[in-house]
This record gives sequence, C-alpha cells and structure tokens, in this order.
Amino acid sequence: DGGITQSPKYLFRKEGQNVTLSCEQNLNHDAMYWYRQDPGQGLRLIYYSQIVNDFQKGDIAEGYSVSREKKESFPLTVTSAQKNPTAFYLCASRGGRASGELFFGEGSRLTVL
Amino acid sequence: QQQVKQSPQSLIVQKGGISIINCAYENTAFDYFPWYQQFPGKGPALLIAIRPDVSEKKEGRFTISFNKSAKQFSLHIMDSQPGDSATYFCAASIQGAQKLVFGQGTRLTINP
Repeated sequence: DGGITQSPKYLFRKEGQNVTLSCEQNLNHDAMYWYRQDPGQGLRLIYYSQIVNDFQKGDIAEGYSVSREKKESFPLTVTSAQKNPTAFYLCASRGGRASGELFFGEGSRLTVL
Repeated sequence: QQQVKQSPQSLIVQKGGISIINCAYENTAFDYFPWYQQFPGKGPALLIAIRPDVSEKKEGRFTISFNKSAKQFSLHIMDSQPGDSATYFCAASIQGAQKLVFGQGTRLTINP
C-alpha cells in the first residue's frame, strides 16, 4: 500500500539526548514536511523539502535538523537545543504543485523525561 | 497575515445535530481552503476542500461554506454521528505554494 511510514510510534528520551524520527514515503512525492502538534496550537511547520538535497526552515525550526538524501526519506532530528521537545510529530508529503493535498503519516510521539 | 484562526477549540454536539466549525483568515492571496480530520493517535487526512470561486461545496454530510468578503469559511457536519468525533483542522494556502497554514484545531465530540 502507498503511504507515509513514521517510526517509532512512541519514543522516550532523557533530556540532553538527540533523537531521530524516521519518515519514509512510497508515493513518489517530491515535497515532504515535518509538523509538530501540541494541544490547542494546531500543526506548526518545522521543516520542508521540495526536492532531494534541498530543504527549508518552517516556522519553528530552532532545535531541529533534517536531511533529504533520498526522495523517499526525510528524517527529523530533535536536538538537545530544542527547549520543549515533548510533542506529537507528523510527517507529510505532497504530490505536484497543482495538488494542495498533504498525505500524513501516523505520527511519532516523543516524550522527554 | 499568515494566520488562520479557528473556533471553537472544542465542541460537543448531540447525535443527529449539526456541527459547525469556523475559520477566519487575513491573507487575501489564499486561494485553497482544505479541512482535515484527525482521529486520536492518527495523522490528519483531507476531508473536503474549496477554492474561492464557489461559495459552497458539499460532499455527503460535510459542507464547506465560504464567504470571500468576510474572509471566513466554515465546516458544517449534518446529522452528526459518534464516528465523526475527531479533531478538525482548517487550513489555507496559495495555489502552487509549498506551505499550508493550519488553524488551531477543534476537538469535536458527538454524544450518542
């Protein structure tokens, strides 16, 4: 089945540790996105990538890093510099520019202890 | 100008009733307005979308009403069912642009 796969679904880490969230898509989409979801704040854009080896900061990029070495993959690293990393993280992809529809993965819930 | 404001934050409706969620925007360049539905523990999925050349779009029990002059759009769920209980997000973008701006979300509960 085509779609977005995020892993792990749940992740616990100690303060000060970097963590990497995986996002893989088999939809052959060019654009990929990372959003952070917190209660009452909607979905906030962290980073996005339109093509391989290129990515742009979103609205809340501080404390996060990404890479886009393959079309199918867009991993997100939550670094120790992120002040409030506990959140639900969503990866998405989008087809051509004419299509506004985002396809989301099932999310990764990160809890920092 | 890039914000989309959504209300209410939470909503409780009786089964069979009409659920109404409202959104307002400032950027008149927005020309694509989707609604996403999210069930607990899942990612959001596109429910219905509208472009500003029409004032209303209906798909089954779900209707988007669009008021261009007021810069507002709303989602109406007719004959609301317990299975509609979810979080709903409105969003807006400029066609061809890479970024979608989301509202804050509405947690809808349909009581049986």
